[in-house]
Amino acid sequence: SQTIHQWPATLVQPVGSPLSLECTVEGTSNPNLYWYRQAAGRGLQLLFYSVGIGQISSEVPQNLSASRPQDRQFILSSKKLLLSDSGFYLCAWTLGGAALGIQYFGAGTRLSVL
Amino acid sequence: AQSVTQLDSHVSVSEGTPVLLRCNYSSSYSPSLFWYVQHPNKGLQLLLKYTSAATLVKGINGFEAEFKKSETSFHLTKPSAHMSDAAEYFCVVSSTGYSSASKIIFGSGTRLSIRP
Repeated sequence: SQTIHQWPATLVQPVGSPLSLECTVEGTSNPNLYWYRQAAGRGLQLLFYSVGIGQISSEVPQNLSASRPQDRQFILSSKKLLLSDSGFYLCAWTLGGAALGIQYFGAGTRLSVL
Repeated sequence: AQSVTQLDSHVSVSEGTPVLLRCNYSSSYSPSLFWYVQHPNKGLQLLLKYTSAATLVKGINGFEAEFKKSETSFHLTKPSAHMSDAAEYFCVVSSTGYSSASKIIFGSGTRLSIRP
């Protein structure tokens, strides 16, 4: 069966520090991978998605970047965090084609930038 | 263009009473529609999905949703609320047949509270 791992679960970082959140998927090949941010009391905002190794698409301009060094690994990064980067970050995967839209989510990372 | 609107940001019902969470969508193509549930500080879990088969879709935990094309709605219902149903619920629309993730649109969410 497929599983998705996301870590860390909670992170407190000072403004201006770097960020690296990691997400890995097991039990499937060539998934589509996603990073979302969820601000308090709001819906999900798609940040990045990837349909293959080294292929990253950004949905909104921001202080963050993403990379996909391996098929089932998706990393969210920042060189210098801003206060506005605080939020709940979720990684998700899906298969393409007819299964598109059924997303499987990680447990999330609560990021607090102070 | 696609969009999804969840008409209520917060719904509160008494335990044992029916639940109705409303969702309206717009899509230029035949949409796939989904409901996800998120418990506090957790990831999202798929409740149910509609992909152009039966218009009444049954999901987990006793939830169901009906696709009404004429009303462009996909409301989520449950006959009898349970305390464990308290969570955030998201309606999602996507276009099948496209590989672009940008075609997956999340609603802003409805927080469901259950009164004892």
